Amino acid sequence: EEQLVESGGGLVERGGSLRLSCTASQFSLKNAWVSWVRQAPGKGLEWVGRIRTESDGGTTDYGTPVKGRFIISRDASKDTVYLQMNGLKIEDTALYYCTTRYSFFMDVWGKGTRVTVSS
Amino acid sequence: QSVLTQSPSASGTPGQRVTISCSGVGSGIDYVYWFQQFPGAAPTLLIHRSDQRPSGVPDRFSGSKSGTSASLAISGLRSEDEADYYCAGWDDSLSEWVFGGGTKLTVL
Repeated sequence: EEQLVESGGGLVERGGSLRLSCTASQFSLKNAWVSWVRQAPGKGLEWVGRIRTESDGGTTDYGTPVKGRFIISRDASKDTVYLQMNGLKIEDTALYYCTTRYSFFMDVWGKGTRVTVSS
Repeated sequence: QSVLTQSPSASGTPGQRVTISCSGVGSGIDYVYWFQQFPGAAPTLLIHRSDQRPSGVPDRFSGSKSGTSASLAISGLRSEDEADYYCAGWDDSLSEWVFGGGTKLTVL
């Protein structure tokens, strides 16, 4: 079964940085646009951003709350997509999912990795 | 703050037909997607391109879009349908994916 695996979450102080990783099993991320979506405790889903494939330019888009602070990148040699989070705020505390299109938009999700920003 | 608006809650009894609405679907959103999320689990895609069901999704679930709103209908409601439901879409005018705030469905 196709699935994604996120890693890299943890506890970080306000203003700090953290890098999350997203890898895939049973398929490659090389030809996949990958999005990050987060969910604060007890709250709804919020889109963080996405990265296109290298063949589509490898460009990125970001949600308004994280623009200028978060960077999504990919390493083709490791078949991994990263979410670099800088200048973390308390409100960035959430479960972070990566998701991609296997057959349809956002039809494959990981189980998420938890990020907690402390004051 | 969500661009798409959903009622926080909905309910129905087993066998009933329930509709969950998603309003604020602006002209920048061509298609609406629906996700189902059980407590402690990742979301799963329920409806894509407004009214298409991925394989494996029961035909009790159906989606529609008209004007500035979209709807998810669940017929023959079952206890296992109790979950949170989210609408979403790519908004060309914002260049962002936008999600509704979610609707918690309770099966009475």
